[in-house]
Amino acid sequence: DAGVIQSPRHEVTEMGQEVTLRCKPISGHNSLFWYRQTMMRGLELLIYFNNNVPIDDSGMPEDRFSAKMPNASFSTLKIQPSEPRDSAVYFCASSFEATGGTLTEAFFGQGTRLTVV
Amino acid sequence: DQQVKQNSPSLSVQEGRISILNCDYTNSMFDYFLWYKKYPAEGPTFLISISSIKDKNEDGRFTVFLNKSAKHLSLHIVPSQPGDSAVYFCAASAGNDMRFGAGTRLTVKP
Repeated sequence: DAGVIQSPRHEVTEMGQEVTLRCKPISGHNSLFWYRQTMMRGLELLIYFNNNVPIDDSGMPEDRFSAKMPNASFSTLKIQPSEPRDSAVYFCASSFEATGGTLTEAFFGQGTRLTVV
Repeated sequence: DQQVKQNSPSLSVQEGRISILNCDYTNSMFDYFLWYKKYPAEGPTFLISISSIKDKNEDGRFTVFLNKSAKHLSLHIVPSQPGDSAVYFCAASAGNDMRFGAGTRLTVKP
């Protein structure tokens, strides 16, 4: 398995533009997470899905952020409009979680470095 | 709301010595704890974990200790090697929710 695949690896965009980050989780995994890494707060959980359903999006900073998981093999994180303070590395992670169980190990993609100028 | 805290942003140790990274959490519902290591331009990779029913888990040079009453865990690396230089993230999970600390940058000097 190629692991969690994120695209693009780097994104530079102008303030006000729409940005879409993409993630392909590991096949068979049923939980997917979007994290944002910043110097001040480390890895922040933005949203996580279980069986394609958003479970907790309380970490999404503003209405400008939205995430979708149309099927088990694909998820997107969209920022519209983007702002310079959104600049960060965004990680996607996936794991398998049995019903009612506790999340154990999550596998991370290599991240998307977003720069909004 | 930082439910998982790593209060030391950086740590520097000499090769061969012990590295101790600390982590505190506030949510008593967390029942599984993990450490991840992250190199530049790469995603975090799983290092070691511990369930709340244990107080110690050892894997080679890495040992994680859990003190539930203090809501504190630590990662010991002994002996430390230059290749251990990376950012270490502490994580805690409850059900399908996993939260991370801000990370500690470990530098192991030759």
